[in-house]
Amino acid sequence: GAGVSQSPRYKVAKRGQDVALRCDPISGHVSLFWYQQALGQGPEFLTYFQNEAQLDKSGLPSDRFFAERPEGSVSTLKIQRTQQEDSAVYLCASSLSEPGNTIYFGEGSWLTVV
Amino acid sequence: DQQVKQNSPSLSVQEGRISILNCDYTNSMFDYFLWYKKYPAEGPTFLISISSIKDKNEDGRFTVFLNKSAKHLSLHIVPSQPGDSAVYFCAASADTGFQKLVFGTGTRLLVSP
Repeated sequence: GAGVSQSPRYKVAKRGQDVALRCDPISGHVSLFWYQQALGQGPEFLTYFQNEAQLDKSGLPSDRFFAERPEGSVSTLKIQRTQQEDSAVYLCASSLSEPGNTIYFGEGSWLTVV
Repeated sequence: DQQVKQNSPSLSVQEGRISILNCDYTNSMFDYFLWYKKYPAEGPTFLISISSIKDKNEDGRFTVFLNKSAKHLSLHIVPSQPGDSAVYFCAASADTGFQKLVFGTGTRLLVSP
């Protein structure tokens, strides 16, 4: 596709439910990022992949958060046993090989935990 | 600890005038700075960037100024247009091998006709 594609766009989860958020990066983009944006805040870094290798996961808030990119293309962010504080927009971004290339963001997956 | 700060949550400007959005940072390791623009229900869109070896970068109506000694950067939009109305995020990264962006909280710009 032309841009970074994320699904679902909107997800309402009951507290304790597991969710999976999908990201299709721009074709050929080696680098893939996940960010979390809470209401009224700027995006915050969660994790970074170079191809299939997860090189930095320092931003993942707890061990309930898990990300993978098994074939170096599509990525999935999984949140287990969701809690209300997980409610946020989850943004995926991709770029050509780092550093210095423009990072392109998707439209985000809006997660509401009730 | 907020490493990138945008102290003005909102800014209103008339069409045709200059918009100046400000950003301060605290981490002296940051060496690359970016501005992103975000419309409602969309992801952030890259606008303009500047490396720490420069103090100014210009792209059409958009100019970014960097003052390293003050740890301050600003985005100037001249002339402002109603379509520029959006939330603007300042972001910074250090040389860690990849762009691990640290964002500010954003400034909502409203350009009125």
